[in-house]
Amino acid sequence: GQQVMQIPQYQHVQEGEDFTTYCNSSTTLSNIQWYKQRPGGHPVFLIQLVKSGEVKKQKRLTFQFGEAKKNSSLHITATQTTDVGTYFCAGFWDSGGSNYKLTFGKGTLLTVNP
Amino acid sequence: DTAVSQTPKYLVTQMGNDKSIKCEQNLGHDTMYWYKQDSKKFLKIMFSYNNKELIINETVPNRFSPKSPDKAHLNLHINSLELGDSAVYFCASSQAKTQYFGPGTRLLVL
Repeated sequence: GQQVMQIPQYQHVQEGEDFTTYCNSSTTLSNIQWYKQRPGGHPVFLIQLVKSGEVKKQKRLTFQFGEAKKNSSLHITATQTTDVGTYFCAGFWDSGGSNYKLTFGKGTLLTVNP
Repeated sequence: DTAVSQTPKYLVTQMGNDKSIKCEQNLGHDTMYWYKQDSKKFLKIMFSYNNKELIINETVPNRFSPKSPDKAHLNLHINSLELGDSAVYFCASSQAKTQYFGPGTRLLVL
């Protein structure tokens, strides 16, 4: 089945350092979404990328979608303790008709040392 | 107002019991889902309903039976609970592919 591979599985940083997580699909994605799950919480939608080469920013977060629409990254500049959590990418492949299934990567758990 | 709500929040039960989890969304979305998140945080889709019709049914034991009485509600009934069913179960609703998750039901089977 279609999968998104996400790395790294874990990342521990000092507060103020940057952080990046990567997602990869072997086949072309229709779109990719990013979610954040705080410890003990539920996944919360961050952003959706649709266009080839798209770059979107939300304050210190930068999201990129590859030119071939097979990979994506989330970069956090100058991490803060509030960034702690698991970041998931979720891919959507267009199979024609109605397809409502997102496939989630395994997530990257980010911990930040104050 | 909670957009997607689930009950109960916590569920501790014995092996072999039958239990239900309820989900409601007040977002007016057409599509609802059940996900299972295991101890390694892997989020796996189980079922999806669109306007009360089952559209996604992943490889899930038939002890799990979803029911959607209307498009705002999606319930999950689990028969003969097993130790491996222990996990967090998230309900979600979506419109335009974005998923809105409920707070989760933490199920522990003893």
